Amino acid sequence: DAKTTQPNSMESNEEEPVHLPCNHSTISGTDYIHWYRQLPSQGPEYVIHGLTSNVNNRMASLAIAEDRKSSTLILHRATLRDAAVYYCILRDGAGGTSYGKLTFGQGTILTVHP
Amino acid sequence: NAGVTQTPKFRVLKTGQSMTLLCAQDMNHEYMYWYRQDPGMGLRLIHYSVGEGTTAKGEVPDGYNVSRLKKQNFLLGLESAAPSQTSVYFCASSYRLAVYEQFFGPGTRLTVL
Repeated sequence: DAKTTQPNSMESNEEEPVHLPCNHSTISGTDYIHWYRQLPSQGPEYVIHGLTSNVNNRMASLAIAEDRKSSTLILHRATLRDAAVYYCILRDGAGGTSYGKLTFGQGTILTVHP
Repeated sequence: NAGVTQTPKFRVLKTGQSMTLLCAQDMNHEYMYWYRQDPGMGLRLIHYSVGEGTTAKGEVPDGYNVSRLKKQNFLLGLESAAPSQTSVYFCASSYRLAVYEQFFGPGTRLTVL
């Protein structure tokens, strides 16, 4: 499985933008870039995903490098509720034996200060 | 829609006891997964299923068995619990294609004494 590398932790102030980086230098052409977050004492929740183009949704934006070897999750205005562990995950879109499983790394712990 | 539900929410077992964790989803998803999460770590895949009547091993399958007799349910069994199986267990489901996200349940916190 292609692996991802994220900083262990990041800090932000409330209402400021947050850029969470992820490196995935061994990404394959069929891998989707997924972001999930896990709030304290909850199950992970989906944030956003993309393949090649930048993506926006109501929660965040995903900026994907042209060579696809890195990506950045952007929270436009952080709130206290955004404090969570953020996971950058590559999900195989080709099927085969991986069956779309998610391989979770350590993730980035985001702390948001009031 | 209830989404993904898990039963029970908490459980304490003694070493050697058995139990079954139930996961149910009402989104008609083909794929279902069982993960475990140990303190300070990411989730690890135990078993998964790509459809009714099919199951497969994930990263850490030893000590667990699963069954998927109905599309909406995915059961995780511990035949003889060990302290090393103390963890939080999450169930998830998704549509088949990688473009779709996984939906996670709230988790079951299991302690084995």
